Amino acid sequence: NAGVTQTPKFQVLKTGQSMTLQCAQDMNHEYMSWYRQDPGMGLRLIHYSVGAGITDQGEVPNGYNVSRSTTEDFPLRLLSAAPSQTSVYFCASSYWPSTPDTQYFGPGTRLTVL
Amino acid sequence: AQKVTQAQTEISVVEKEDVTLDCVYETRDTTYYLFWYKQPPSGELVFLIRRNSFDEQNEISGRYSWNFQKSTSSFNFTITASQVVDSAVYFCALSGENNRKLIWGLGTSLAVNP
Repeated sequence: NAGVTQTPKFQVLKTGQSMTLQCAQDMNHEYMSWYRQDPGMGLRLIHYSVGAGITDQGEVPNGYNVSRSTTEDFPLRLLSAAPSQTSVYFCASSYWPSTPDTQYFGPGTRLTVL
Repeated sequence: AQKVTQAQTEISVVEKEDVTLDCVYETRDTTYYLFWYKQPPSGELVFLIRRNSFDEQNEISGRYSWNFQKSTSSFNFTITASQVVDSAVYFCALSGENNRKLIWGLGTSLAVNP
């Protein structure tokens, strides 16, 4: 099993550009989520999904879109990048729906917006 | 509201010392789950432990041990005979039984010096 994979590992964007961060998992997990990690702020939930076709907002959803067309994939789209979106982005997955289960994380994407 | 507090921002110890990382949580749920994750300098997030609120037994895994005390709403993590490889940021997290969101502490940065 590859676990949770994320691409790209690093990305530099200019303000106003759009891009999609990819996340895939091969563990047949229903629950997937996106976090951003900023110095001194810990991990903050952006969006999450409890299954294909079901997504919901987390703590900091503004400026980001998600969709979940398959169990395996959960891409995160930045609509119009802003310097405030410079961060490290983590994707995670876990079993669902009953008990909150252990979330397994991808290696992260380091995004810089100039 | 749920909250996780890791009051120790940074800890520095000398190799072979024992060190305890504190985690205090707030929740009104009777059933909840607590987690510890490790983030080494390489950046990935590594799962360490998951406990539910009905299991107050202390857990030991090698040099790692966890002390869960509902009376003080604490879930502390102790590393015995610390090693340089233990240098990392450690996060405590909380989830209610029907809560789709994991609430994270801000992390404790542990430096183990040779």
